[in-house]
Amino acid sequence: EAGVTQFPSHSVIEKGQTVTLRCDPISGHDNLYWYRRVMGKEIKFLLHFVKESKQDESGMPNNRFLAERTGGTYSTLKVQPAELEDSGVYFCASSLSTGDSYEQYFGPGTRLTVT
Amino acid sequence: RKEVEQDPGPFNVPEGATVAFNCTYSNSASQSFFWYRQDCRKEPKLLMSVYSSGNEDGRFTAQLNRASQYISLLIRDSKLSDSATYLCVVNTMGFQKLVFGTGTRLLVSP
Repeated sequence: EAGVTQFPSHSVIEKGQTVTLRCDPISGHDNLYWYRRVMGKEIKFLLHFVKESKQDESGMPNNRFLAERTGGTYSTLKVQPAELEDSGVYFCASSLSTGDSYEQYFGPGTRLTVT
Repeated sequence: RKEVEQDPGPFNVPEGATVAFNCTYSNSASQSFFWYRQDCRKEPKLLMSVYSSGNEDGRFTAQLNRASQYISLLIRDSKLSDSATYLCVVNTMGFQKLVFGTGTRLLVSP
């Protein structure tokens, strides 16, 4: 079974530019999450989709970040315009919606560098 | 105060040693608990979920103490391949977002 995939693996952009990250969850996983790790800090939650609906976007830093999951399959996270503090590793995770424990499986991440 | 606290380490142990990590969480509404392992520049990988009764998976044993709000991970007979950062992770009842500790780094040497 294929795991969570993310594209690109690395992105280097200049401040003020736009970047779009993509995540393909494990097939059949209704739940999709975005997390971010800024250098030296712990991994932090950004938002959670159930199918195509945003369930929780309490972790989104500001309105420069836009996440979509049209059709309830893959998701995109757009940063526009990018700022220096947006640099970090962006992880996507997915999980099933069964049981009491929502074990989440992570993709390899996109390493974003804003210069 | 961080919601999940871990000793960052590093813990340097020889092969074959037993090592234990603790983690404390501040939110008493935390519902699910996990240990993830993260290798350098890789994604977190689920090592094990932690249940109230404690659970074991091979050389790994995890325990949860709800009264004291801490979680532990015991690794027996350490292998070189166990070298990694171990992340303590919790989520809160009613929410699916995971809250991560900063991780504890383990270095197993020959």
